[in-house]
Amino acid sequence: QMQPVQSGPEVKKPGTSVKVSCKASDITFTRSAVHWVRQARGQRLEWIGWIVVGSGNTDYAQTFQERVTITRDLSTNTVYMELSSLRSEDTAIYYCAADRNGYNLMGIFDNWGQGTLVTVSS
Amino acid sequence: DIQMTQSPSSLSASVGDRVTITCRTSQSIRTYLNWYQLKPGKAPKLLIYAASSLESGVPSRFSGSGSGTDFTLTISSLQPEDFATYYCQQSYSNLYTFGQGTKLEIK
Repeated sequence: QMQPVQSGPEVKKPGTSVKVSCKASDITFTRSAVHWVRQARGQRLEWIGWIVVGSGNTDYAQTFQERVTITRDLSTNTVYMELSSLRSEDTAIYYCAADRNGYNLMGIFDNWGQGTLVTVSS
Repeated sequence: DIQMTQSPSSLSASVGDRVTITCRTSQSIRTYLNWYQLKPGKAPKLLIYAASSLESGVPSRFSGSGSGTDFTLTISSLQPEDFATYYCQQSYSNLYTFGQGTKLEIK
């Protein structure tokens, strides 16, 4: 499997939104599920949510439920994660990762993007 | 939420050493436990899934064991490329959670 390619670093002001992309080159993309995970400096990894690419079904961690939207564009094999009402605590590296079991999610993250640094600062 | 506790938080070892990292969960997760390797600036890497299954392409010096609430990741003979941070993660609950990480450093 080719590693998904994520969009570049972002600097955002508090209260605004950020949209990070994750582009897959694998032809099995439409049979996949993609998770988003983040890691703030010095903190443990934190799961944000997933999308089943074919159906567009999503699920989010309760912590992010009100602020996150994960979408996909089948024409470009790209998944997006948008986080709104940003605060300084959202400064982190955001990763996309494919589920090892495809659309029959198992919560095993086996093909990760390189990560996107999002910095929230006034 | 299922709480994950790794030990130790950091570890100094030499090339060729045998190293064991422990992960304990706040409730039984059967064998729904996965291990990852993280290096700065690189994509994280799945090493072990379902507690003891070695991911394709991962060297056989990595092994995992355990069930219920207690799990271990063992590296049988450390290589220079193994110095990294390791995380356990549970996939038993739909709210996936990770341990705090174990940083493996060169002695």
